[in-house]
Amino acid sequence: QLQLQESGPGLVKPSETLSLTCTVSGGSFSSSSYYWGWIRQPPEKGLEWIGSIYFSGSTYYNPSLKSRVTISVDTSKNQFSLKLSSVTAADTAVYYCARHVVRYFDHWGQGTLVTVSS
Amino acid sequence: QSVLTQPPSVSGAPGQRVTISCTGSSSNIGAGYDVHWYQQLPGTAPKLLIYDNSNRPSGVPDRFSGSKSGTSASLAISGLQAEDEADYYCQSYDSSLSGSVFGGGTKLTVL
Repeated sequence: QLQLQESGPGLVKPSETLSLTCTVSGGSFSSSSYYWGWIRQPPEKGLEWIGSIYFSGSTYYNPSLKSRVTISVDTSKNQFSLKLSSVTAADTAVYYCARHVVRYFDHWGQGTLVTVSS
Repeated sequence: QSVLTQPPSVSGAPGQRVTISCTGSSSNIGAGYDVHWYQQLPGTAPKLLIYDNSNRPSGVPDRFSGSKSGTSASLAISGLQAEDEADYYCQSYDSSLSGSVFGGGTKLTVL
């Protein structure tokens, strides 16, 4: 059974860089059929797609976040990572990683809350 | 403001049928891109409910069904149960944004 698990600091200071890692287990991470994505959800708000990465390293990002986002992959560890720079309070959210079957997200991690505060 | 528009809330009594709409535009649903639906129970991660407009993943009851027409899509839930109380989100692809877009979400209350 495919499982995804987010990890990283739960508190980040304003203007710093948010860094999260998603570890994938129980499935084929390097399959050509999938991308791997990040989605976030601010408290009491809706879902926002951040970006996705292919196992080869090819990426595509939400245009509204593109200037601040970097997603990378480490196939040797079955992991992919998110970096979001110059964070503000507006970046406070639950961050989810998910398997991106090109068109939709079929497996999700449990999510991790990241709070931006000094 | 979400690219896909959903009603903030819907409600229904147990056993009834409810529908949730998802309205897009010519750059997403109207362009022919598929619509997918997610169920988010309180305090949990979203779960894929319907993919490619009307297909159910294994394990999703057939009380849940989806459809698409023009620039809109709908999720229907029949035989409403207390356990269906959750937030529901639609999602598609937008060609002008070159990425995935979500609706703002609809809170379903079972009366």
